[in-house]
Amino acid sequence: GDSVTQMEGPVTLSEEAFLTINCTYTATGYPSLFWYVQYPGEGLQLLLKATKADDKGSNKGFEATYRKETTSFHLEKGSVQVSDSAVYFCALISTSGTYKYIFGTGTRLKVLA
Amino acid sequence: EAGVTQFPSHSVIEKGQTVTLRCDPISGHDNLYWYRRVMGKEIKFLLHFVKESKQDESGMPNNRFLAERTGGTYSTLKVQPAELEDSGVYFCASTSQGRRGEQYFGPGTRLTVT
Repeated sequence: GDSVTQMEGPVTLSEEAFLTINCTYTATGYPSLFWYVQYPGEGLQLLLKATKADDKGSNKGFEATYRKETTSFHLEKGSVQVSDSAVYFCALISTSGTYKYIFGTGTRLKVLA
Repeated sequence: EAGVTQFPSHSVIEKGQTVTLRCDPISGHDNLYWYRRVMGKEIKFLLHFVKESKQDESGMPNNRFLAERTGGTYSTLKVQPAELEDSGVYFCASTSQGRRGEQYFGPGTRLTVT
């Protein structure tokens, strides 16, 4: 079945450091891919998405490119801030059926001032 | 517009008791989903409603879980009787028919079974 694998956390970085959170997927067909973020005490928020190969999603300085050849959707940010501290979830959704999400395990990011 | 809301935000119950979680989707969203995150693992799908009908309940763990969506508005998820392994965060999400693929999540209900 469909699955998402993302790197284990926690990830601890200093402010202004470069961030990469790896995400790979297994799916039939061509799923849409997402990154969600959960800030402390809040719900899941859509961070960015990509719906087809080579698409690049971007938001708030974060970027991820849909790589069909490597089945990956790695999240990157050039310079993290303390306010980026959160849990990040990679997810896919099939383009048929009930459109349910398949999530990765989540990666906790802590940014130190 | 108001987002997805969930109640309660946190519930602590003893093993064997009953708990009912509530989700109010965004107004006008016909699709409502329940997910669960247990012990820091991945968030897993539980079930999907379209209006008041269960479209897919393949993720429901067992018959101790009962979900309803009377009238196609808010939904409830009842756990009866609760077991220790039911502890986790229960998320609700909604989306309109025209925006399949992008779901709007509530803040979650943290359930602790002792």
